[in-house]
Amino acid sequence: DTAVSQTPKYLVTQMGNDKSIKCEQNLGHDTMYWYKQDSKKFLKIMFSYNNKELIINETVPNRFSPKSPDKAHLNLHINSLELGDSAVYFCASSQVGSVLAFFGQGTRLTVV
Amino acid sequence: AQSVSQHNHHVILSEAASLELGCNYSYGGTVNLFWYVQYPGQHLQLLLKYFSGDPLVKGIKGFEAEFIKSKFSFNLRKPSVQWSDTAEYFCAVNNQAGTALIFGKGTTLSVSS
Repeated sequence: DTAVSQTPKYLVTQMGNDKSIKCEQNLGHDTMYWYKQDSKKFLKIMFSYNNKELIINETVPNRFSPKSPDKAHLNLHINSLELGDSAVYFCASSQVGSVLAFFGQGTRLTVV
Repeated sequence: AQSVSQHNHHVILSEAASLELGCNYSYGGTVNLFWYVQYPGQHLQLLLKYFSGDPLVKGIKGFEAEFIKSKFSFNLRKPSVQWSDTAEYFCAVNNQAGTALIFGKGTTLSVSS
């Protein structure tokens, strides 16, 4: 069973569209994250949720809106996609009291 | 603010050569240190981690890392690399549970057979 799963794995879309990336974890973790990996492979935190509440919101454009319907899911919705949003987006999760994070396989978003 | 520096951007080695990838972090308090590996087209996988105790930690696939507090370093080593070690290697740090990882910019390792 996949611990942290993201869908879709690849997403190609046009500028201006709205898209969502889904993330689910079956580890029973309370904290979930979204990271962005840019074209130079630099990984940076975007958001963190703990038990459905937003904990970290780095300087990310408000076109990006995370949504956590329950603690096992943290979806990323992106409005009005721009070319610069092209990247690989990684979801991760960790247990309360643990510093160890488990990562999903990533979603490669290409905006054309 | 915490930051992580990986000095080597791209390392090219022949099989059986020894590997050392540098990682330095900037943070004055207690830190947790990690090395992650990303094989081509795959997700991040944890290689090894340091929380406390023995500063020499051993991870999967023959990798090890040494935490040197006085140097704020956590270098990754492997005595003899294999072609299958070709990947991106990321050093990361956080300082408490539930906080996000701060990553270095990664090192690309290319191993020729």
